[in-house]
Amino acid sequence: QSVLTQPPSASGTPGQRVTISCSGSSSNIGNNTVNWYHQLPGTAPKLLIYSNKQRPSGVPDRFSGSKSGTSASLAISGLQSEDEADYYCAGWDDSLNGVVFGAGTKLTVL
Amino acid sequence: QLQLQESGPGLVKPSETLSLTCTVSGGSVTTTYYWGWIRQPPGKGLEWIGSIYYSGSTYHNPSLKSRVTMSLDTSKNQFSLKLSSVTAADTAMYYCARNFHLRDGYIIRSWFDPWGQGTLVTVSS
Repeated sequence: QSVLTQPPSASGTPGQRVTISCSGSSSNIGNNTVNWYHQLPGTAPKLLIYSNKQRPSGVPDRFSGSKSGTSASLAISGLQSEDEADYYCAGWDDSLNGVVFGAGTKLTVL
Repeated sequence: QLQLQESGPGLVKPSETLSLTCTVSGGSVTTTYYWGWIRQPPGKGLEWIGSIYYSGSTYHNPSLKSRVTMSLDTSKNQFSLKLSSVTAADTAMYYCARNFHLRDGYIIRSWFDPWGQGTLVTVSS
């Protein structure tokens, strides 16, 4: 049972905009920042968004993050076939005194 | 460009100690970052194991803390993980990564970038 709750799956068609949610509590998302990672099949996770909405260099602006209260969202616009991957939210939890990950959302591009 | 590479035995017997090393290139482990370990059981999600600061101080996942030891070898530009008393539940892909861990007042910003490619460790007799 993950501390951060994500939908197990999401889908969209090429060109569409999709969002993935991440729900937490006051001890994690509510008080600290959220990060997003994606993991292409058979590869290591890669940072997509940090500090709620910041994009590392090289990440396309099709990817955007937001946070409100104890929930966060990752939005992907102009969906492409290569976006098909697992997406994880993560952040610090004050109660557990450690980093926590969501269980991941498998994004399928139809 | 910073790169990380995990290494270590791919097979460990139950009750023994899992030992992994992460070699850092393109940068130094003595810079003011944390260096972290994350694992992923086959077909499952990610679990943070722990992180070590360049000074040697560490913080661990509370659920694993009593079994985890981390260290730095500045002469080899490496950091290491030891996980004792392993069971089949410790079978996983193990990743090392640079851990940005910043305190901004009461807010903690903590993320991992970049990651190593990972190494699969199987616990089996």
